[in-house]
Amino acid sequence: DGGITQSPKYLFRKEGQNVTLSCEQNLNHDAMYWYRQDPGQGLRLIYYSQIVNDFQKGDIAEGYSVSREKKESFPLTVTSAQKNPTAFYLCATTGTGGFGYTFGSGTRLTVV
Amino acid sequence: QKEVEQDPGPLSVPEGAIVSLNCTYSNSAFQYFMWYRQYSRKGPELLMYTYSSGNKEDGRFTAQVDKSSKYISLFIRDSQPSDSATYLCAMSKNAGNNRKLIWGLGTSLAVNP
Repeated sequence: DGGITQSPKYLFRKEGQNVTLSCEQNLNHDAMYWYRQDPGQGLRLIYYSQIVNDFQKGDIAEGYSVSREKKESFPLTVTSAQKNPTAFYLCATTGTGGFGYTFGSGTRLTVV
Repeated sequence: QKEVEQDPGPLSVPEGAIVSLNCTYSNSAFQYFMWYRQYSRKGPELLMYTYSSGNKEDGRFTAQVDKSSKYISLFIRDSQPSDSATYLCAMSKNAGNNRKLIWGLGTSLAVNP
């Protein structure tokens, strides 16, 4: 089955620790995106990448970092500099010639 | 003023009702309009998309775009309990691999049996 796999589904971390969220896709899509979803604030773009070894900041990149070493993978690191990291994180892809995003099932991060 | 406005609801209807979900937007450059459905604790899934103005129908779902009024709608006929979800509108100025979507906040819909 083609799709996007986000792991883990739930993640708990102590304040001050960095944490990395995994996003893997086997759709052969070029572009990948990370969104954050909070109640009442909708989807906000953190980072996106159109090709391997290239990525751009989205609207709320502060406190986050990404890498794109392989076409299939786009991990997101939530650093200790992110002031309010507790949220639902969504990874998405788009393919050339296709339309619309394909989303993963999300990772719920809780920082205590 | 947000670029895209969407009433968050919640909207509660009886099974079989016709549901109307709406978004308004301020940027006349938007040309591509989408509706996503998101079940609780899941990622959104693309439901329908339209280009420019007009209607598009897919089964019980109809998407409508009125660019002159900067208003888009999603109609659900014969609503079912399985339609209970949050519906998000999204739009963009261009297609292609570098498209960035502007999202509404989503409307929560409950269809009661």
